[in-house]
Amino acid sequence: GENVEQHPSTLSVQEGDSAVIKCTYSDSASNYFPWYKQELGKRPQLIIDIRSNVGEKKDQRIAVTLNKTAKHFSLHITETQPEDSAVYFCAASEDDKIIFGKGTRLHILP
Amino acid sequence: NAGVMQNPRHLVRRRGQEARLRCSPMKGHSHVYWYRQLPEEGLKFMVYLQKENIIDESGMPKERFSAEFPKEGPSILRIQQVVRGDSAAYFCASSPLDSYNTGELFFGEGSRLTVL
Repeated sequence: GENVEQHPSTLSVQEGDSAVIKCTYSDSASNYFPWYKQELGKRPQLIIDIRSNVGEKKDQRIAVTLNKTAKHFSLHITETQPEDSAVYFCAASEDDKIIFGKGTRLHILP
Repeated sequence: NAGVMQNPRHLVRRRGQEARLRCSPMKGHSHVYWYRQLPEEGLKFMVYLQKENIIDESGMPKERFSAEFPKEGPSILRIQQVVRGDSAAYFCASSPLDSYNTGELFFGEGSRLTVL
């Protein structure tokens, strides 16, 4: 089955700087890669996703890249703001079963 | 359109008791997922169901745990003879996807189980 590894587990960046979170997956058949944001005590919510037929997708300050050959995908947040502080989860899916990484706790420092 | 509804939000049980967690998917969604989240950990897949059908239960512990999604009513995750290690947040998610298209999961607020 699919296995998703996520790094780092904790990340602290200065407000205004960029943050990068990286994930790898094991199942080459996976074709859907969403990213979820979970604020403390709240539900996870989708922030961006990418499918295997594209290599990059951007939505304002958030971008995702996908390298299918290396089975890597990454989340990039630019111009970070205090409200970006949360736990971010990457995930991979092939057969409707979505497997999550263990999460990255992002701290935005003032 | 109401979101995914989970209840109870908080549940306290003593060791050996049963816990029942309920999830009503969003209107129009026919697929339900259950995930377990331990403190400071990720979302661990447990089971994926359609109405009256378990699609994939590869993440469910072999004993004490069961899930159903009947034709009428909410999906239920049932934990029998709870132990302290079952203490966690249990998230339900629903999706409008069909078998040919993977799509966004819409999560409920979670049910936080505490076993004393």
